[in-house]
Amino acid sequence: AQKITQTQPGMFVQEKEAVTLDCTYDTSDPSYGLFWYKQPSSGEMIFLIYQGSYDQQNATEGRYSLNFQKARKSANLVISASQLGDSAMYFCAMSPSTLGRLYFGRGTQLTVWP
Amino acid sequence: DGGITQSPKYLFRKEGQNVTLSCEQNLNHDAMYWYRQDPGQGLRLIYYSQIVNDFQKGDIAEGYSVSREKKESFPLTVTSAQKNPTAFYLCASSRRGPQKETQYFGPGTRLLVL
Repeated sequence: AQKITQTQPGMFVQEKEAVTLDCTYDTSDPSYGLFWYKQPSSGEMIFLIYQGSYDQQNATEGRYSLNFQKARKSANLVISASQLGDSAMYFCAMSPSTLGRLYFGRGTQLTVWP
Repeated sequence: DGGITQSPKYLFRKEGQNVTLSCEQNLNHDAMYWYRQDPGQGLRLIYYSQIVNDFQKGDIAEGYSVSREKKESFPLTVTSAQKNPTAFYLCASSRRGPQKETQYFGPGTRLLVL
């Protein structure tokens, strides 16, 4: 069975500080991809970052980085220098290579305060 | 501009009525997906299609139907058999199966039952 767990329903961070959003996953597939999406209050899902299970280095995209610990099956999102516009729901997702689809966690609501 | 469009933005359904949600993409993507999102929840997969004229059930396909007659289009019909259709519906597409191929999302359709 495939499973994504996000244990933080809500997180708060002050502007300009860094924040880590947790994600753990479970799959028996040796090859898989890990994704993070941002969902503002408007509802649209915005792709942030991708990590492949065989990638040697942690993925980075601007202020976003993915702390990938394969042995622990964790794929935490780190947002550096938080901005007010980062306030949104954040979803972790996984794609096992054999199944051709994504599995989503329940999300973490991030609030950035001035 | 390339992207995914969904219409309508809001849709109202009467009891016993079938309604169809539109999803169109001009990204030349092979794969398309339909998700349902309930308040405070993650995304759940309804149906997906890897190629034209072929589609597979997701986790919550009961009460829904789809067709994939054109590469660009993947309409979702919410039938009267779906007893609790009120939700936010998101359509997505990717170049192939989503492992290593990011899914891009449309703006969504909010379905309400009158």
